[in-house]
Amino acid sequence: QLQLQVSGPRLVKPSETLSLTCTVSGGSITSNSYSWGWIRQPPGKGLEWIGNIFYSGTASYNPSLESRITISADASKNQFSLNLNSVTAADTAVYFCARRIAVAVRFDYWGQGTLVTVSS
Amino acid sequence: DIQMTQSPSSLSASVGDRVTITCRASQSISSYLNWYQQKPGNAPDLLIYAASSLQRGVPSRFSGSGSGTDFTLTISSLQPEDFAIYFCQQSYSSPPTFGQGTKLEIK
Repeated sequence: QLQLQVSGPRLVKPSETLSLTCTVSGGSITSNSYSWGWIRQPPGKGLEWIGNIFYSGTASYNPSLESRITISADASKNQFSLNLNSVTAADTAVYFCARRIAVAVRFDYWGQGTLVTVSS
Repeated sequence: DIQMTQSPSSLSASVGDRVTITCRASQSISSYLNWYQQKPGNAPDLLIYAASSLQRGVPSRFSGSGSGTDFTLTISSLQPEDFAIYFCQQSYSSPPTFGQGTKLEIK
């Protein structure tokens, strides 16, 4: 059974960089059938796609966040990571990592999610 | 970006009821529509993909229909474990976008 686990700081100061890592177990990220991505959910609100990456390094980002995002993958560790810089309170959210079926663009496995709060 | 609008925003129903949730896209998305269920404190689970295909392991009381701009998720006979928030998501064009959610509550 595929499992995804998010790790990283739960509290980030304004203007700093939010960094999260998703560790995948029960399967490999080295498949061209899937990409690996990040989705966030501000408290009490809906879902926002952040971006996705193939293990090869090809990434796609939400244009609304593209100037502040970097997503990377480390196949040797079966992990992928999110960096979001210049954060503000508006970036406070539960951050999920998920597997995306590449062609069909649906998210079929999700990690539990972690609440990241931006506050001084 | 394609805007996805769900209705109603919240819904009260009883165990055994038949329930329908609607999702409307701001432009035609063919059948590129997915539905998710999210329970409190959990990640979303994929229920329906391509508007009407049931994800493996999802009970058959869930069904989806529609194409173009208008879609529905139907639960034929509500069970206690179905009380949750439901989201639609378009996969027609990037960025993929989600509806605001429909909260299904126990009457």
